[in-house]
Amino acid sequence: AQKITQTQPGMFVQEKEAVTLDCTYDTSDQSYGLFWYKQPSSGEMIFLIYQGSYDEQNATEGRYSLNFQKARKSANLVISASQLGDSAMYFCAMREVSGAGSYQLTFGKGTKLSVIP
Amino acid sequence: DSGVTQTPKHLITATGQRVTLRCSPRSGDLSVYWYQQSLDQGLQFLIQYYNGEERAKGNILERFSAQQFPDLHSELNLSSLELGDSALYFCASSTGQGALPDTQYFGPGTRLTVL
Repeated sequence: AQKITQTQPGMFVQEKEAVTLDCTYDTSDQSYGLFWYKQPSSGEMIFLIYQGSYDEQNATEGRYSLNFQKARKSANLVISASQLGDSAMYFCAMREVSGAGSYQLTFGKGTKLSVIP
Repeated sequence: DSGVTQTPKHLITATGQRVTLRCSPRSGDLSVYWYQQSLDQGLQFLIQYYNGEERAKGNILERFSAQQFPDLHSELNLSSLELGDSALYFCASSTGQGALPDTQYFGPGTRLTVL
């Protein structure tokens, strides 16, 4: 089974509107971290936001917030007041703390967001 | 700018050749990770080094090898290159202390094209 699932290959949003990018994950670990990265067309990977499995509050970083629903194993990224510069690929990633893979990030396939003026 | 540097930015080579990709981590980070991004496989973890020692291995081919030097920079060596090795290769760094989040910051990547 896929550890990280991003079901939206592509999305469109009007400038200044909010948009939610979906991410569900699969793990049996109690301790894990969820990360969102942005990849513009230039190719670099930019860290956006982090949510720990034990964090009681949803993470926020400026216009980015994470809608974390632990029971549903979802960690959706919410971008408020979309800007043209938000057009990019967005990747959800997970780091599990136990086992052999306890340091690597496992990535989803990404969602391509296009912001329409 | 993440503070992670990678060289070269682009690399074009022929099948059967060998190349070396270089990465310098952010100041203070002891851990370096290598990832491969291709259209069919997505982003895949290859290998991790911590303070000069290999710490974790992912889907890294036997034709690929890496090392981390005393100054903490890392090199990824790709040999006997095949067309399918064409991809974007990322280096990331973190403190490597283990406890969450230990956020990984990525370099700009090296785009490898094998002709």
